[in-house]
Amino acid sequence: DGGITQSPKYLFRKEGQNVTLSCEQNLNHDAMYWYRQDPGQGLRLIYYSQIVNDFQKGDIAEGYSVSREKKESFPLTVTSAQKNPTAFYLCATGGVGGNQPQHFGDGTRLSIL
Amino acid sequence: GENVEQHPSTLSVQEGDSAVIKCTYSDSASNYFPWYKQELGKGPQLIIDIRSNVGEKKDQRIAVTLNKTAKHFSLHITETQPEDSAVYFCAASNDYKLSFGAGTTVTVRA
Repeated sequence: DGGITQSPKYLFRKEGQNVTLSCEQNLNHDAMYWYRQDPGQGLRLIYYSQIVNDFQKGDIAEGYSVSREKKESFPLTVTSAQKNPTAFYLCATGGVGGNQPQHFGDGTRLSIL
Repeated sequence: GENVEQHPSTLSVQEGDSAVIKCTYSDSASNYFPWYKQELGKGPQLIIDIRSNVGEKKDQRIAVTLNKTAKHFSLHITETQPEDSAVYFCAASNDYKLSFGAGTTVTVRA
């Protein structure tokens, strides 16, 4: 989706290192989401934010942190506490409130060195 | 929480034939059901969605049906083409959160 930019496309993490994944959107959507995708599995929600300066944990928040200082940006930090970080990370945006369509970026693939 | 099961996990069809993917959900409060198509190395793309007050929705070659009583919904792709080859995900939501099925890899044989 051209309105959602995730960077970098590929990222490598060393032991004990924190890494930050970027997600920027120009769709003027209030809500933003981070999902993790593992091979052969569906997407699992890590964190979500429905408004600037506020965010909530999803199903698998342990070992991750986020911030929402601007409407356009929702970076995800994968901390050293996340022992199995190798996965495909997807950012999504949508309208506020329930049952709004979510639109995805093209993801960041994180691997361990 | 919501649990979404998706079948089959892989589906191979001859070009021009139809493809059907089925999903079941557990939470009777769920009322929004989107379908996504994901190509290799890309993010999922929303292809069609349906809300609980509608039983069927169609968009060109794709259609979705919903049976709230049985708690299942299906994606139908007619006249399949090679570009329909991808991984398809169903999802269910009753608020902010989407719960996804595990995905179906569809291969269209020329």
